[in-house]
Amino acid sequence: KNQVEQSPQSLIILEGKNCTLQCNYTVSPFSNLRWYKQDTGRGPVSLTIMTFSENTKSNGRYTATLDADTKQSSLHITASQLSDSASYICVVSPGRDNNAGNMLTFGGGTRLMVKP
Amino acid sequence: DAGVIQSPRHEVTEMGQEVTLRCKPISGHNSLFWYRQTMMRGLELLIYFNNNVPIDDSGMPEDRFSAKMPNASFSTLKIQPSEPRDSAVYFCASSFSHSQETQYFGPGTRLLVL
Repeated sequence: KNQVEQSPQSLIILEGKNCTLQCNYTVSPFSNLRWYKQDTGRGPVSLTIMTFSENTKSNGRYTATLDADTKQSSLHITASQLSDSASYICVVSPGRDNNAGNMLTFGGGTRLMVKP
Repeated sequence: DAGVIQSPRHEVTEMGQEVTLRCKPISGHNSLFWYRQTMMRGLELLIYFNNNVPIDDSGMPEDRFSAKMPNASFSTLKIQPSEPRDSAVYFCASSFSHSQETQYFGPGTRLLVL
């Protein structure tokens, strides 16, 4: 069964500190992995998309890594800001065709709170 | 572009009533997705369309749920009859037709079925 597990479930850090969120998946075959940020009361916003051949991708202070061998991904947030407080969702897409939906498997998310 | 537009933003209804959620995707996008999000189950893909054609509806919970996309700029998700367990936030998202393309989410419709 395809699964995506995220850890921790929640995290509190002080403004300015770094943090790393984890995503482990059992989806196979694997097409791509996405990280989304979801602010409270809003829809998810894409941060990064990585294919199975990519190891790292950055978007400003957000850096995602992918190890397709161990089926692990991480999202590293540098110099956190209060606006980083949100839920971060890992989504894995199986298959290698051009099917846009393709039974996406979602993680449960990590709820991050950045305190001043 | 205004982004993905959803209406209504909030809906409160009584059990047994019909509920219709609406979505206008980003102009030029030819894939459209309906999601449901709850605290217990997180984000779930219900159905998606490619070029107005339903491709995968395996996530639709049961026959009470139906979705249509009569044209490239409009889609509906209907629940008839609604039940309290349908209470959730329903998101619509759109993208270009490729698995590598970013999906852009709307603001969601928060549904409460009493």
